[in-house]
Amino acid sequence: GIQVEQSPPDLILQEGANSTLRCNFSDSVNNLQWFHQNPWGQLINLFYIPSGTKQNGRLSATTVATERYSLLYISSSQTTDSGVYFCASRGSGANNLFFGTGTRLTVIP
Amino acid sequence: EPEVTQTPSHQVTQMGQEVILRCVPISNHLYFYWYRQILGQKVEFLVSFYNNEISEKSEIFDDQFSVERPDGSNFTLKIRSTKLEDSAMYFCASSVREQYFGPGTRLTVT
Repeated sequence: GIQVEQSPPDLILQEGANSTLRCNFSDSVNNLQWFHQNPWGQLINLFYIPSGTKQNGRLSATTVATERYSLLYISSSQTTDSGVYFCASRGSGANNLFFGTGTRLTVIP
Repeated sequence: EPEVTQTPSHQVTQMGQEVILRCVPISNHLYFYWYRQILGQKVEFLVSFYNNEISEKSEIFDDQFSVERPDGSNFTLKIRSTKLEDSAMYFCASSVREQYFGPGTRLTVT
């Protein structure tokens, strides 16, 4: 299956700071999604972004499918943004998602 | 907003026992999935289900696992003889295009 690398693995931010999280893929990007896993373990859908750029409030995401990467931008971070952020993509010819190892974000007040 | 639901939220079982994890996918979705996440690790695919049959499965999904859609709304994962290493969070998901995940069942095997 597709290999998904996320960076950085850990990130500590002061409240109000901005950050960029990155996903690199070993193969063609299909149906890329970003998730936030909250402290209770729930996977919250952030973006479905197979290509292009989308924005939702303080969050935005960009996928450059031809170069096999995606970026998640968090602006003016808040303590509630803490958690683990995962990106995931389908492999070629498959419906299931392959997940990255995640970026653990800690926002301190 | 429609959501995927899962029961129970937490299940404790003894090694060797059978467990059934239950999911209600979003009603107009066509594809259903089970994933698991061992504590501190990434989410791993187990199996996908479409048109009342398994469409894909991973190496993890061996003979001790089975899935079923017993009626028009439920989707279940059965683990026949649990092992310590089956302890994990199990997520159900459903999709038309974008996958939506349930809140998970935390399975603890003692």
